[in-house]
Amino acid sequence: ETGVTQTPRHLVMGMTNKKSLKCEQHLGHNAMYWYKQSAKKPLELMFVYSLEERVENNSVPSRFSPECPNSSHLFLHLHTLQPEDSALYLCASSRDRTYEQYFGPGTRLTVT
Amino acid sequence: KNQVEQSPQSLIILEGKNCTLQCNYTVSPFSNLRWYKQDTGRGPVSLTIMTFSENTKSNGRYTATLDADTKQSSLHITASQLSDSASYICVVSRQGAQKLVFGQGTRLTINP
Repeated sequence: ETGVTQTPRHLVMGMTNKKSLKCEQHLGHNAMYWYKQSAKKPLELMFVYSLEERVENNSVPSRFSPECPNSSHLFLHLHTLQPEDSALYLCASSRDRTYEQYFGPGTRLTVT
Repeated sequence: KNQVEQSPQSLIILEGKNCTLQCNYTVSPFSNLRWYKQDTGRGPVSLTIMTFSENTKSNGRYTATLDADTKQSSLHITASQLSDSASYICVVSRQGAQKLVFGQGTRLTINP
């Protein structure tokens, strides 16, 4: 256990659904991240939050909407996704942006 | 362009054998290099971290090497076990950029 939890672990949704992914860290970290991991491709950084403020958004489509209500929780709201959005979505946290990142177990998302 | 290339893409060996995974990078300026292990359906977990001045670091049966001149790193696994079956990801940090550059990973399978 890395101290970073993600729910749900698996999610199947249709293209017209709205769902949310949740990440929680129990490490007292100040930075949190969302990554997308597709088969045989490097991890892609989607969003970075530092002290609850979004500091990086890597050209992610607006159908992905992050929310960081406090330093321990991070959400990724999903709506009108496409089949190519099917992937493993990983959350990570770090003490601050210069320190090692600890990853959660991921949410396996399938869009039908 | 800042890139991390790993080889081989996949590897199958018998239990008890040794193996070496390779990582070449063009990331500059270099800060540090990490090797992560990612079990199927789980998030990556850090194995080793090396800075510019370190050329070898061990973690149990895992030994990482770094040649900062040629920008190459390797991860050597000794006396492999079935539990070593996983993806191994090389990650390089850029100095001052607070950004990680991920390799695509090597998928290692240990057969009994």
